[in-house]
Amino acid sequence: KAGVTQTPRYLIKTRGQQVTLSCSPISGHRSVSWYQQTPGQGLQFLFEYFSETQRNKGNFPGRFSGRQFSNSRSEMNVSTLELGDSALYLCASSSGQLSTDTQYFGPGTRLTVL
Amino acid sequence: AQSVAQPEDQVNVAEGNPLTVKCTYSVSGNPYLFWYVQYPNRGLQFLLKYITGDNLVKGSYGFEAEFNKSQTSFHLKKPSALVSDSALYFCAVRDSVKNSGYSTLTFGKGTMLLVSP
Repeated sequence: KAGVTQTPRYLIKTRGQQVTLSCSPISGHRSVSWYQQTPGQGLQFLFEYFSETQRNKGNFPGRFSGRQFSNSRSEMNVSTLELGDSALYLCASSSGQLSTDTQYFGPGTRLTVL
Repeated sequence: AQSVAQPEDQVNVAEGNPLTVKCTYSVSGNPYLFWYVQYPNRGLQFLLKYITGDNLVKGSYGFEAEFNKSQTSFHLKKPSALVSDSALYFCAVRDSVKNSGYSTLTFGKGTMLLVSP
């Protein structure tokens, strides 16, 4: 089975721009979660989508948004980029049916904001 | 609210020696506990999880973890460390109880493991 894929792997943007990141889950998985990883804050949960609906949301400003398509692929968007948005953005997929599910992570997208 | 603590930012061990990476947690209900490893410029790789049953859980690459309910701990262990085990290790917890039915995964800050030759 193919793993979780994320595109692009690297991005460089300037302040004020917007960016869209993409995540394709493992085949058959219906849940996609997004995380922001920075050296100072560690791994922080952004949101989780299940069957095209946002099921859980972390404590991030409204500039961070996401969506999920009918094939379970997910995108996250960050508008009006700030320097502090520079981070590794990770997505993870799981079946989403049980709290005992294992999340499987993609390689991440490294976003640099200049 | 659920939380995870990894008290050590870094653990140093010599190759061939046993290693332990510590993790404690706090949840309302029963804990579902996970360990992940991250190599440089990579995503997180799943190592093992505890759901219920035997307190000693065996996982990938010779790692195991011991669940201790009274101490609310889930320490990661390996009998003989390898240089290639050097990486960032994350403990995570999910609470069995959540009002809306499906709780999120909460991660610790991570512990850097450095294995010297």
